[in-house]
Amino acid sequence: RKEVEQDPGPFNVPEGATVAFNCTYSNSASQSFFWYRQDCRKEPKLLMSVYSSGNEDGRFTAQLNRASQYISLLIRDSKLSDSATYLCVVNTGANNLFFGTGTRLTVIP
Amino acid sequence: AAGVIQSPRHLIKEKRETATLKCYPIPRHDTVYWYQQGPGQDPQFLISFYEKMQSDKGSIPDRFSAQQFSDYHSELNMSSLELGDSALYFCASSSDRAYEQYFGPGTRLTVT
Repeated sequence: RKEVEQDPGPFNVPEGATVAFNCTYSNSASQSFFWYRQDCRKEPKLLMSVYSSGNEDGRFTAQLNRASQYISLLIRDSKLSDSATYLCVVNTGANNLFFGTGTRLTVIP
Repeated sequence: AAGVIQSPRHLIKEKRETATLKCYPIPRHDTVYWYQQGPGQDPQFLISFYEKMQSDKGSIPDRFSAQQFSDYHSELNMSSLELGDSALYFCASSSDRAYEQYFGPGTRLTVT
């Protein structure tokens, strides 16, 4: 079983829509949580860290539920430029990151 | 702001050859990580270094080795290359082992 599980999608949504991605992680001792976005053939780029209290950055909101070992990302008012693969990433406390397989988002004009 | 630098960006090698990938972390970042991303796969952790010492090891083949130098740059050495080593190799750096990692643009290795 993978450390981090994500729905691979694809999600095809119209501009302006709200879309939510979810992921679960298996290691209850996991310490740090992140969402990265990756464009085709490019490097993963840190979108936001995820805190227990939840955090928001503009149109993006991330939530962490430690009891359910569940992480979410909400994107409001989707833009064409949001089209990418969104990677749920977990640090278990060891010196490396575990990536989900990514959820592909396409925002349609 | 300065980002992680990787070189070369593209590399073509033949089977059984060797390759060296270089990574220059963000200034003042003391930790470097190497990841391998195959086609259609998520990045897989290979190895990391903190303050020039190996700190964690993932799915790195024995044919590969790496080190971090006194100026904090890192090199990944790959020997006896196989077709299956063709992938994107990312280096990431962080200023704290538990927190955000920032990725370089990657080196695309093709083994023929």
